[in-house]
Amino acid sequence: NAGVTQTPKFRVLKTGQSMTLLCAQDMNHEYMYWYRQDPGMGLRLIHYSVGEGTTAKGEVPDGYNVSRLKKQNFLLGLESAAPSQTSVYFCASSYSGQGWDTQYFGPGTRLTVL
Amino acid sequence: KNQVEQSPQSLIILEGKNCTLQCNYTVSPFSNLRWYKQDTGRGPVSLTIMTFSENTKSNGRYTATLDADTKQSSLHITASQLSDSASYICVVIGQAGTALIFGKGTTLSVSS
Repeated sequence: NAGVTQTPKFRVLKTGQSMTLLCAQDMNHEYMYWYRQDPGMGLRLIHYSVGEGTTAKGEVPDGYNVSRLKKQNFLLGLESAAPSQTSVYFCASSYSGQGWDTQYFGPGTRLTVL
Repeated sequence: KNQVEQSPQSLIILEGKNCTLQCNYTVSPFSNLRWYKQDTGRGPVSLTIMTFSENTKSNGRYTATLDADTKQSSLHITASQLSDSASYICVVIGQAGTALIFGKGTTLSVSS
């Protein structure tokens, strides 16, 4: 049982390039989330999904797109990367969307945009 | 505005000593409060969760307290170990059940 995994662990992009971050979970969770974590700031929700085929915007969705084609996978895309998107990205999943339900986090992807 | 403030920002203690981390929030209405531990280079891992009616909850050497009247929570670590070196994040959940407000975290360093 791997829990939540993220690919890749590190990535360096040039401004304007695109990339996709992959998140996979093997806990059969319905809900999945993408967060970004920046120095001196709390985790901020980018997008989330309440089930296969559904996505919704979080607190800071601009510049990102997501897809949930399979229940176990949640993809985060950057179409045209900007230096402001330099951050550590965390994926999480939970059984339900209730706030009291534990969110299980992946190990993170450290992205640098030059 | 819903906010979660944690103090201190960072803390250094000697192995074996106790410490207390603080979390003040203005989230209203409020339903739950959770503490996460985040090791360097890893994702956060849940330590405890409390509802508004709970005053204290323990998880081994970690004890969380909650005063819903003053909107304050604390995380007490007893007999600290080197492995306790991490960032501790307070998360407050609004009564709607889905709005999570994350604090910036307290970075704890335990030295030998």
